Amino acid sequence: AQSVTQLGSHVSVSEGALVLLRCNYSSSVPPYLFWYVQYPNQGLQLLLKYTTGATLVKGINGFEAEFKKSETSFHLTKPSAHMSDAAEYFCAVKDNQGGKLIFGQGTELSVKP
Amino acid sequence: GAGVSQTPSNKVTEKGKYVELRCDPISGHTALYWYRQSLGQGPEFLIYFQGTGAADDSGLPNDRFFAVRPEGSVSTLKIQRTERGDSAVYLCASSLSAANTEAFFGQGTRLTVV
Repeated sequence: AQSVTQLGSHVSVSEGALVLLRCNYSSSVPPYLFWYVQYPNQGLQLLLKYTTGATLVKGINGFEAEFKKSETSFHLTKPSAHMSDAAEYFCAVKDNQGGKLIFGQGTELSVKP
Repeated sequence: GAGVSQTPSNKVTEKGKYVELRCDPISGHTALYWYRQSLGQGPEFLIYFQGTGAADDSGLPNDRFFAVRPEGSVSTLKIQRTERGDSAVYLCASSLSAANTEAFFGQGTRLTVV
């Protein structure tokens, strides 16, 4: 069965610092991987996705993620945090037998001024 | 519509009551998904429709939960004999098809069972 593990339920960085949110997945087939962001009282918004091709994926708001098959990882990064990045971030893998997404537990990002 | 619409945005009900949650997907999207998100957790899959039929309902927790999509557009999630443990945010998403990689989410319905 496929699964997603996000290391760290809460990450705090200073404004301008590097953001690194960790995600590891388990899948027996080449995965489709996603990062979503959720602002308070809002739905999920797609940040970026990996399906095939280039392993470094660029998304919205300056975020990017790198698919590393050897490490079964898909960590999310941003070179310089902004106050508006404070939110909950979810990593997900698409089920290989259908369309559903399997989510990690989420990582809450706080940005200090 | 422009996005996935869910109504109501908030619902408070008494234990034992019946509730219906509605989802209006993006026009033309054939695949529709329901997820449940408990406090501090990631969304958990409940059921998904391809057209009018439920293609996968393996995430429904028990037979108190049921969902329909009679005309292949709007979907209703129905919960009978609600319990306090059903309190959560119920999220709906749609995509062009199940094979299409991007799903668009609504803002959710926050259900509170008192």
